Amino acid sequence: AQSVAQPEDQVNVAEGNPLTVKCTYSVSGNPYLFWYVQYPNRGLQFLLKYITGDNLVKGSYGFEAEFNKSQTSFHLKKPSALVSDSALYFCAVRDITGGSYIPTFGRGTSLIVHP
Amino acid sequence: EAQVTQNPRYLITVTGKKLTVTCSQNMNHEYMSWYRQDPGLGLRQIYYSMNVEVTDKGDVPEGYKVSRKEKRNFPLILESPSPNQTSLYFCASSLRSASGPIEQYFGPGTRLTVT
Repeated sequence: AQSVAQPEDQVNVAEGNPLTVKCTYSVSGNPYLFWYVQYPNRGLQFLLKYITGDNLVKGSYGFEAEFNKSQTSFHLKKPSALVSDSALYFCAVRDITGGSYIPTFGRGTSLIVHP
Repeated sequence: EAQVTQNPRYLITVTGKKLTVTCSQNMNHEYMSWYRQDPGLGLRQIYYSMNVEVTDKGDVPEGYKVSRKEKRNFPLILESPSPNQTSLYFCASSLRSASGPIEQYFGPGTRLTVT
């Protein structure tokens, strides 16, 4: 079985400050992990993924995420937030060892960046 | 431009009236899927397709049908819509790695209201 949790419904940060959006996961095998962003009235856009290799992955728009196997986490980070980063962020996991073709998405975290 | 298109974008219908939401991608992706997005529940997969004529159920398939007669198209069919199918629907496509789909590209969404 696979699951993913985004413990915060909303994250507030001031423009220019670093931001973190948290994600923890549970799989029985090895995970593929993804972050997506959804702007108002738009579909989801892929930000970054972890499949294998370096634990720190870099993605679009200056975002990065760190895969931490011992803590089963994949937190999304950005050193300096922009007002335009305000959006809904989804973490997703797929257990590739278990042969699942169905990713599980978190419930989403609303990021609000204040000017 | 690489994209996933959905039509219609907005649809209001009545209980029991059959409808089809079309989805098309121009990226030659093997994998396509349908999701519904409901507040507080994140995205839940309805059906997916690994290739032409190959479809399988996702997490919430009840009340939906799909077909994959061509690689680029993956329509979602509601034979007898009910009010609990009022939702925001997304189509997505993805390349397929040796271990299954990787990052997905989403359409703009179809907001369906069933009265």
